[in-house]
Amino acid sequence: QQQVKQSPQSLIVQKGGISIINCAYENTAFDYFPWYQQFPGKGPALLIAIRPDVSEKKEGRFTISFNKSAKQFSLHIMDSQPGDSATYFCAARDSNYQLIWGAGTKLIIKP
Amino acid sequence: DAGVTQSPTHLIKTRGQQVTLRCSPKSGHDTVSWYQQALGQGPQFIFQYYEEEERQRGNFPDRFSGHQFPNYSSELNVNALLLGDSALYLCASSLDWTGVLDEQYFGPGTRLTVT
Repeated sequence: QQQVKQSPQSLIVQKGGISIINCAYENTAFDYFPWYQQFPGKGPALLIAIRPDVSEKKEGRFTISFNKSAKQFSLHIMDSQPGDSATYFCAARDSNYQLIWGAGTKLIIKP
Repeated sequence: DAGVTQSPTHLIKTRGQQVTLRCSPKSGHDTVSWYQQALGQGPQFIFQYYEEEERQRGNFPDRFSGHQFPNYSSELNVNALLLGDSALYLCASSLDWTGVLDEQYFGPGTRLTVT
C-alpha cells in the first residue's frame, strides 16, 4: 500500500513533442504529490507538485493531471526540449510526512 | 548562497568496514533528511534529523545511524558495510520537518561503492 508505481521506465520523445509519465498509488492517506527532475551527477530537484483537492496544475510547459478516484497522476511536458532529458520521479507524501518515491523514468528528447 | 553540500563525492569501501558521510544544509534550513538511491531506483528514506534528534526513520537497520550538529550539519554512519549498501546517498534539507511549509532541497549525493 505504500508503493508508488511509475511508468514507463524509459521514454524517447522527439523535440517539440509531448512527454507523458504516469504514476499510480493505493494509499488514500497520501496528501501531496511532487514530481522531481534529476540530471546525472545531481540530486533530485522539485519540478512541480499537486495536492489531491486539485485535478490539474500547470507551470510553464509542465502540467500535473490528478485523478483522485483512479488514484493516478501524471506529468505532461509540452514542447519537449533536449534540455528536458533527465530522469523524472513521482512521489507521494504519507501521513508521517515521508515521501514514497516511484522508480523513475529516464526521458530522452531527440533533437 | 550555497545549496546543500555533501562530502565526499565518491567513496570505495570494503565489506565489513564503516563509513561516515557528511552533509551541510542549505543556509537557514534546520532539518536534514538522508536517502539511499540504488542504481535505477527512486530514493528510499533513511531518517530525518531536526533539533539534533532523529525525528523519523525509514525501514533501515540499526547499522545506519546519524547525527546532527548544533550548526544543523549532519553525518550518516553505516557500520558493517554490505555489498548491498552500494548506492548514491542523498542528503536533503528543509525549513520544516513535516515538509508542509517548504520543499526539500537535495545535495548532489555521495556515491558509495562497497567491494
